[in-house]
Amino acid sequence: GAVVSQHPSWVICKSGTSVKIECRSLDFQATTMFWYRQFPKQSLMLMATSNEGSKATYEQGVEKDKFLINHASLTLSTLTVTSAHPEDSSFYICSASTRRNSNQPQHFGDGTRLSIL
Amino acid sequence: EDKVVQSPLSLVVHEGDTVTLNCSYEVTNFRSLLWYKQEKKAPTFLFMLTSSGIEKKSGRLSSILDKKELFSILNITATQTGDSAIYLCAPILSTSGTYKYIFGTGTRLKVLA
Repeated sequence: GAVVSQHPSWVICKSGTSVKIECRSLDFQATTMFWYRQFPKQSLMLMATSNEGSKATYEQGVEKDKFLINHASLTLSTLTVTSAHPEDSSFYICSASTRRNSNQPQHFGDGTRLSIL
Repeated sequence: EDKVVQSPLSLVVHEGDTVTLNCSYEVTNFRSLLWYKQEKKAPTFLFMLTSSGIEKKSGRLSSILDKKELFSILNITATQTGDSAIYLCAPILSTSGTYKYIFGTGTRLKVLA
């Protein structure tokens, strides 16, 4: 149980393109989803927390106009990297929790490797 | 500023060896600490520790938390090549009515046959 599916797994695109990444909870309702970014040999950095039906909460230093997050249903959250540039190239991972403000373990998707040329 | 330090950063051992991975933290509003194993893709959950001094075990893996000294350790006995991965610790802290994880940089473990 508690499977999180992330799509696509790998994206290569030109600079200036906007890229949408989907995160779905397959067998549970995810009240809260989290978006992380991971650079090579570095840790996961939380970018934002999204609660179903409300605006996402962004971490300090993360541009909300650059990284648009939508969590319109209990099983789907999307991250759109707008006008992507080479410095946005990274590994993006989503995770989901079954309860809002939960202390329980998050379940992670397999991640999306984004490469901007 | 919240800080999580894992050591060693990397480790190479032979099958059958025992390893101890360390995680020290300085965070505000600490709630619990989790350990994850990350191979090529998504981190997979290993342990959640909330109370000090209570060891959690799962097969060859065990972990314990010391909330007074602000650290946790993850032990792996009789290591196998399949244990090769990055091990991440993540204290959970509560902030502004929500919970969030602060991940350490991880320990990269390589087990040689």
